[in-house]
Amino acid sequence: SQQGEEDPQALSIQEGENATMNCSYKTSINNLQWYRQNSGRGLVHLILIRSNEREKHSGRLRVTLDTSKKSSSLLITASRAADTASYFCATGGWGKLQFGAGTQVVVTP
Amino acid sequence: DAGVTQSPTHLIKTRGQQVTLRCSPKSGHDTVSWYQQALGQGPQFIFQYYEEEERQRGNFPDRFSGHQFPNYSSELNVNALLLGDSALYLCASAPSGLAGAQETQYFGPGTRLLVL
Repeated sequence: SQQGEEDPQALSIQEGENATMNCSYKTSINNLQWYRQNSGRGLVHLILIRSNEREKHSGRLRVTLDTSKKSSSLLITASRAADTASYFCATGGWGKLQFGAGTQVVVTP
Repeated sequence: DAGVTQSPTHLIKTRGQQVTLRCSPKSGHDTVSWYQQALGQGPQFIFQYYEEEERQRGNFPDRFSGHQFPNYSSELNVNALLLGDSALYLCASAPSGLAGAQETQYFGPGTRLLVL
Protein backbone atom coordinates (compact mmCIF):
# COMPACT_ATOMS: atom_id res chain seq x y z
CA SER A 1 0.00 0.00 0.00
CA GLN A 2 1.13 3.54 -0.65
CA GLN A 3 1.65 5.99 2.17
CA GLY A 4 0.91 9.15 0.23
CA GLU A 5 -1.78 10.04 -2.21
CA GLU A 6 -1.54 13.01 -4.53
CA ASP A 7 -4.43 15.10 -5.73
CA PRO A 8 -5.30 15.83 -8.48
CA GLN A 9 -4.16 12.87 -10.55
CA ALA A 10 -3.63 15.15 -13.53
CA LEU A 11 -3.33 18.88 -14.05
CA SER A 12 -3.18 20.87 -17.29
CA ILE A 13 -2.19 24.54 -17.22
CA GLN A 14 -0.71 27.20 -19.48
CA GLU A 15 2.73 28.68 -19.18
CA GLY A 16 2.89 31.42 -16.59
CA GLU A 17 0.09 29.99 -14.46
CA ASN A 18 0.61 28.46 -11.04
CA ALA A 19 0.24 24.74 -10.41
CA THR A 20 -0.84 23.38 -7.05
CA MET A 21 -0.94 19.74 -6.05
CA ASN A 22 -1.69 18.11 -2.74
CA CYS A 23 -0.48 15.07 -0.89
CA SER A 24 -2.12 13.23 1.96
CA TYR A 25 -0.40 10.61 4.06
CA LYS A 26 -1.50 8.11 6.66
CA THR A 27 1.04 7.77 9.46
CA SER A 28 3.18 10.21 11.42
CA ILE A 29 6.29 11.40 9.65
CA ASN A 30 9.69 12.94 10.32
CA ASN A 31 9.78 14.61 6.94
CA LEU A 32 8.08 14.71 3.58
CA GLN A 33 9.74 15.07 0.20
CA TRP A 34 8.66 15.98 -3.30
CA TYR A 35 10.21 14.44 -6.40
CA ARG A 36 9.77 15.11 -10.11
CA GLN A 37 9.86 12.52 -12.88
CA ASN A 38 10.15 13.41 -16.54
CA SER A 39 8.81 11.01 -19.18
CA GLY A 40 8.96 7.89 -17.01
CA ARG A 41 12.64 8.23 -16.25
CA GLY A 42 14.53 8.74 -12.99
CA LEU A 43 13.19 10.83 -10.14
CA VAL A 44 14.74 14.14 -9.21
CA HIS A 45 14.58 15.40 -5.65
CA LEU A 46 12.90 18.81 -5.42
CA ILE A 47 12.49 19.70 -1.77
CA LEU A 48 12.32 18.20 1.71
CA ILE A 49 10.23 19.63 4.54
CA ARG A 50 10.60 18.43 8.11
CA SER A 51 7.73 17.73 10.46
CA ASN A 52 8.51 20.82 12.54
CA GLU A 53 8.37 23.10 9.50
CA ARG A 54 5.18 24.58 8.05
CA GLU A 55 6.46 26.11 4.83
CA LYS A 56 9.55 25.93 2.69
CA HIS A 57 10.63 27.64 -0.51
CA SER A 58 13.08 26.71 -3.24
CA GLY A 59 13.15 28.92 -6.31
CA ARG A 60 9.68 28.76 -7.88
CA LEU A 61 8.62 25.97 -5.52
CA ARG A 62 6.67 26.43 -2.31
CA VAL A 63 5.83 23.50 -0.07
CA THR A 64 3.54 23.54 2.93
CA LEU A 65 3.03 20.86 5.54
CA ASP A 66 0.10 20.46 7.91
CA THR A 67 0.87 17.56 10.23
CA SER A 68 -2.50 17.89 11.98
CA LYS A 69 -4.22 17.13 8.69
CA LYS A 70 -1.49 14.81 7.46
CA SER A 71 -1.24 16.75 4.24
CA SER A 72 1.23 18.72 2.17
CA SER A 73 0.97 20.90 -0.89
CA LEU A 74 3.41 21.78 -3.66
CA LEU A 75 3.00 25.05 -5.51
CA ILE A 76 4.91 25.76 -8.70
CA THR A 77 4.73 29.45 -9.57
CA ALA A 78 5.02 30.93 -13.08
CA SER A 79 5.08 27.48 -14.68
CA ARG A 80 7.13 26.72 -17.77
CA ALA A 81 6.83 24.03 -20.44
CA ALA A 82 9.86 22.38 -18.85
CA ASP A 83 7.81 21.82 -15.68
CA THR A 84 5.78 19.19 -17.56
CA ALA A 85 6.36 16.05 -15.50
CA SER A 86 4.90 13.79 -12.85
CA TYR A 87 5.27 14.95 -9.28
CA PHE A 88 5.40 12.58 -6.32
CA CYS A 89 5.36 13.09 -2.60
CA ALA A 90 7.33 10.63 -0.51
CA THR A 91 7.68 9.86 3.18
CA GLY A 92 10.12 7.71 5.10
CA GLY A 93 13.85 7.62 5.46
CA TRP A 94 16.89 5.42 5.86
CA GLY A 95 16.67 4.48 2.19
CA LYS A 96 13.08 3.29 2.29
CA LEU A 97 10.70 5.81 0.77
CA GLN A 98 6.98 5.41 0.27
CA PHE A 99 5.53 7.25 -2.70
CA GLY A 100 2.07 8.24 -3.77
CA ALA A 101 0.74 7.61 -7.26
CA GLY A 102 1.73 11.09 -8.38
CA THR A 103 0.22 14.10 -10.11
CA GLN A 104 0.82 14.40 -13.85
CA VAL A 105 1.31 18.04 -14.80
CA VAL A 106 1.17 19.28 -18.38
CA VAL A 107 2.20 22.87 -19.09
CA THR A 108 1.26 24.11 -22.53
CA PRO A 109 3.00 27.09 -24.19
CA ASP B 1 30.83 13.75 -10.76
CA ALA B 2 28.78 10.90 -12.22
CA GLY B 3 25.35 10.40 -10.82
CA VAL B 4 23.59 7.08 -10.40
CA THR B 5 23.90 4.92 -13.49
CA GLN B 6 21.87 1.86 -14.45
CA SER B 7 22.17 -0.75 -17.15
CA PRO B 8 20.66 -1.79 -19.41
CA THR B 9 18.18 0.97 -20.26
CA HIS B 10 15.65 -1.41 -21.81
CA LEU B 11 15.18 -5.15 -21.62
CA ILE B 12 12.70 -7.61 -23.09
CA LYS B 13 12.30 -11.05 -21.55
CA THR B 14 9.79 -13.87 -21.72
CA ARG B 15 7.85 -15.40 -18.84
CA GLY B 16 9.88 -17.79 -16.74
CA GLN B 17 13.22 -16.27 -17.62
CA GLN B 18 15.62 -14.62 -15.22
CA VAL B 19 16.95 -11.07 -15.42
CA THR B 20 19.81 -9.12 -13.82
CA LEU B 21 19.78 -5.35 -13.59
CA ARG B 22 22.81 -3.30 -12.57
CA CYS B 23 23.35 -0.07 -10.71
CA SER B 24 26.35 2.09 -9.86
CA PRO B 25 25.71 4.56 -7.05
CA LYS B 26 26.64 8.21 -7.04
CA SER B 27 30.23 8.86 -6.02
CA GLY B 28 30.54 8.90 -2.24
CA HIS B 29 27.35 6.92 -1.68
CA ASP B 30 27.45 3.48 -0.11
CA THR B 31 23.78 2.52 0.22
CA VAL B 32 21.66 1.38 -2.69
CA SER B 33 17.89 0.96 -2.78
CA TRP B 34 15.82 -0.60 -5.54
CA TYR B 35 12.29 0.38 -6.52
CA GLN B 36 9.74 -1.01 -8.93
CA GLN B 37 7.46 1.42 -10.71
CA ALA B 38 4.51 0.05 -12.64
CA LEU B 39 2.97 2.19 -15.35
CA GLY B 40 0.95 5.04 -13.88
CA GLN B 41 2.00 4.27 -10.31
CA GLY B 42 4.53 5.58 -7.86
CA PRO B 43 7.73 3.64 -7.12
CA GLN B 44 7.46 0.71 -4.69
CA PHE B 45 10.42 -0.09 -2.44
CA ILE B 46 11.94 -3.51 -3.12
CA PHE B 47 15.01 -3.61 -0.85
CA GLN B 48 18.08 -1.74 0.31
CA TYR B 49 21.72 -2.83 0.43
CA TYR B 50 24.42 -1.53 2.71
CA GLU B 51 27.77 -3.08 3.56
CA GLU B 52 27.00 -5.84 1.04
CA GLU B 53 23.95 -6.99 2.97
CA GLU B 54 20.23 -6.61 2.49
CA ARG B 55 19.15 -4.25 5.27
CA GLN B 56 15.49 -3.61 4.55
CA ARG B 57 12.96 -5.29 2.32
CA GLY B 58 9.60 -4.29 0.98
CA ASN B 59 6.66 -6.53 0.19
CA PHE B 60 8.23 -8.44 -2.69
CA PRO B 61 8.56 -12.22 -3.11
CA ASP B 62 11.83 -14.14 -2.85
CA ARG B 63 12.01 -14.18 -6.64
CA PHE B 64 13.50 -10.72 -6.19
CA SER B 65 17.03 -10.86 -4.87
CA GLY B 66 20.03 -8.62 -4.93
CA HIS B 67 23.67 -8.19 -4.29
CA GLN B 68 26.03 -5.38 -3.40
CA PHE B 69 29.68 -5.47 -4.34
CA PRO B 70 32.68 -4.05 -2.43
CA ASN B 71 32.69 -1.01 -4.75
CA TYR B 72 29.06 -0.35 -3.63
CA SER B 73 27.54 -1.18 -7.00
CA SER B 74 24.51 -3.42 -6.89
CA GLU B 75 22.53 -5.94 -8.88
CA LEU B 76 18.85 -6.78 -8.82
CA ASN B 77 17.92 -10.29 -9.90
CA VAL B 78 14.43 -11.44 -10.70
CA ASN B 79 13.76 -15.14 -11.26
CA ALA B 80 10.82 -16.86 -12.91
CA LEU B 81 9.60 -13.67 -14.52
CA LEU B 82 5.88 -12.97 -14.63
CA LEU B 83 4.00 -10.64 -16.91
CA GLY B 84 3.32 -8.46 -13.87
CA ASP B 85 7.03 -7.86 -13.41
CA SER B 86 6.96 -5.53 -16.40
CA ALA B 87 7.88 -2.15 -14.96
CA LEU B 88 10.51 0.54 -14.65
CA TYR B 89 13.13 -0.51 -12.12
CA LEU B 90 14.80 2.36 -10.35
CA CYS B 91 17.98 2.35 -8.35
CA ALA B 92 18.63 5.04 -5.76
CA SER B 93 21.70 5.78 -3.66
CA ALA B 94 22.55 7.80 -0.60
CA PRO B 95 25.42 8.14 1.84
CA SER B 96 25.16 6.13 5.03
CA GLY B 97 25.47 7.57 8.49
CA LEU B 98 23.31 9.71 10.66
CA ALA B 99 23.77 12.86 8.59
CA GLY B 100 20.59 13.27 6.60
CA ALA B 101 19.38 9.83 7.72
CA GLN B 102 19.49 8.84 4.06
CA GLU B 103 16.43 10.99 3.56
CA THR B 104 17.18 12.30 0.10
CA GLN B 105 17.66 9.56 -2.44
CA TYR B 106 19.45 10.09 -5.73
CA PHE B 107 17.81 8.11 -8.49
CA GLY B 108 19.19 6.61 -11.64
CA PRO B 109 17.37 6.79 -15.00
CA GLY B 110 15.91 3.32 -14.56
CA THR B 111 15.73 0.09 -16.52
CA ARG B 112 12.50 -0.56 -18.35
CA LEU B 113 11.70 -4.27 -18.30
CA LEU B 114 9.07 -5.79 -20.55
CA VAL B 115 8.04 -9.38 -19.92
CA LEU B 116 6.22 -11.09 -22.79
